[in-house]
Amino acid sequence: AQSVTQLGSHVSVSEGALVLLRCNYSSSVPPYLFWYVQYPNQGLQLLLKYTSAATLVKGINGFEAEFKKSETSFHLTKPSAHMSDAAEYFCAVSKGGSYIPTFGRGTSLIVHP
Amino acid sequence: DADVTQTPRNRITKTGKRIMLECSQTKGHDRMYWYRQDPGLGLRLIYYSFDVKDINKGEISDGYSVSRQAQAKFSLSLESAIPNQTALYFCATSDRPNGHEQFFGPGTRLTVL
Repeated sequence: AQSVTQLGSHVSVSEGALVLLRCNYSSSVPPYLFWYVQYPNQGLQLLLKYTSAATLVKGINGFEAEFKKSETSFHLTKPSAHMSDAAEYFCAVSKGGSYIPTFGRGTSLIVHP
Repeated sequence: DADVTQTPRNRITKTGKRIMLECSQTKGHDRMYWYRQDPGLGLRLIYYSFDVKDINKGEISDGYSVSRQAQAKFSLSLESAIPNQTALYFCATSDRPNGHEQFFGPGTRLTVL
């Protein structure tokens, strides 16, 4: 079975500050890992994905995530938050052959001026 | 130019009514999924289909049914709506060569009174 834990349902940062959204996973086999972003009144869109290539994955809008197998983590970071980053972020895991992802409960990123 | 469309975008209905939510895609993907999103619970899988003749239950299929009318169309029905089915519903697709990444529609907000 696979599962995803996102630590913190809400994260609040000031504009220009570091963004860190945490995701830990459990999977019996090497996983595929994803971060999706959901802007208000929209569907989810892919931010970045890890598929067993480089452990540091760069995504859109300046976000990146690092796969750490020893820590079973895939935390999302951005060096400098922008007001437009305010959204809901979802971490997801799936495993080879399944094609059925498991999503975390989401983290709402709040960016203060 | 939306690749995954959902109709209606918003719907208010009464307890006991039959409701159908429709999803169409122009991406040419084989795989389609229905999820519901509730605050604090993330996305939960209702049904999925890997091709026109393949229908599978997800995590929370009770009270729902689906129909895959064509490769491009996947409908979700609530046979007798109840208030705890009030939620945001998303359709998603994925393709065979890259089946782990999902592409989402804009969502349908359903309210059952």
